[in-house]
Amino acid sequence: QSVLTQPPSVSGAPGQRVTISCTGSSSNIGAGHDVHWYQQLPGTAPKLLIYVNSNRPSGVPDRFSGSKSGTSASLAITGLQADDEADYFCQSYDSSLSASVFGGGTKVTVL
Amino acid sequence: EVQLVQSGVEVKKPGESLKISCKASGYSFTNYWIGWVRQKPGRGLEWMGIIYPGKSETRYSPSFQGLVTISADKSISTVYLQWGSLKASDTAIYFCARHASPLGILDSWGQGALVTVSS
Repeated sequence: QSVLTQPPSVSGAPGQRVTISCTGSSSNIGAGHDVHWYQQLPGTAPKLLIYVNSNRPSGVPDRFSGSKSGTSASLAITGLQADDEADYFCQSYDSSLSASVFGGGTKVTVL
Repeated sequence: EVQLVQSGVEVKKPGESLKISCKASGYSFTNYWIGWVRQKPGRGLEWMGIIYPGKSETRYSPSFQGLVTISADKSISTVYLQWGSLKASDTAIYFCARHASPLGILDSWGQGALVTVSS
């Protein structure tokens, strides 16, 4: 069981908007620690998608956006495309564990 | 360009020892934390621990403390993950990742190394 909770799967038609939630607690997201998001395409290494809650690294399309509030964070994908099919993971730092923690991951399916 | 190149596939028996590597290039190796992430087949990501090569300071997840050792050789910009006695449950893909901060932001990843432990 992961410290950060994500829905196992979300789906949407091409062009639609989907959101992925990441729920933590008072020892991680709620403690003010930043949330980062990673995209893992099938058979590849994860790639940093969003850092420090809402920032996109160079080269990441602005269709991807992140937000954080209270003990939760969200990743939104607008204008869904076929090559967005991947697993998405949130990550934060947990003060009780003194360690980084990941969410269980969410599989995005484009219908 | 930051590059992390990991050692190859390993097939080992339970009880054997193993050390896998990750060679970094394209940045100042001693000025960034670098660590390891486990992914069991069909499962999510698990943060294992990190090392700051400039000071050889290490930090481990409680889930992996005492089970693995992370080390680094500054002279060849390489970080290692080591097991003293493998178990079947160690079967997984292991990724190395540069950390922009000790609290997270894994901004560059290796390609992953599959470790299979089976009798």
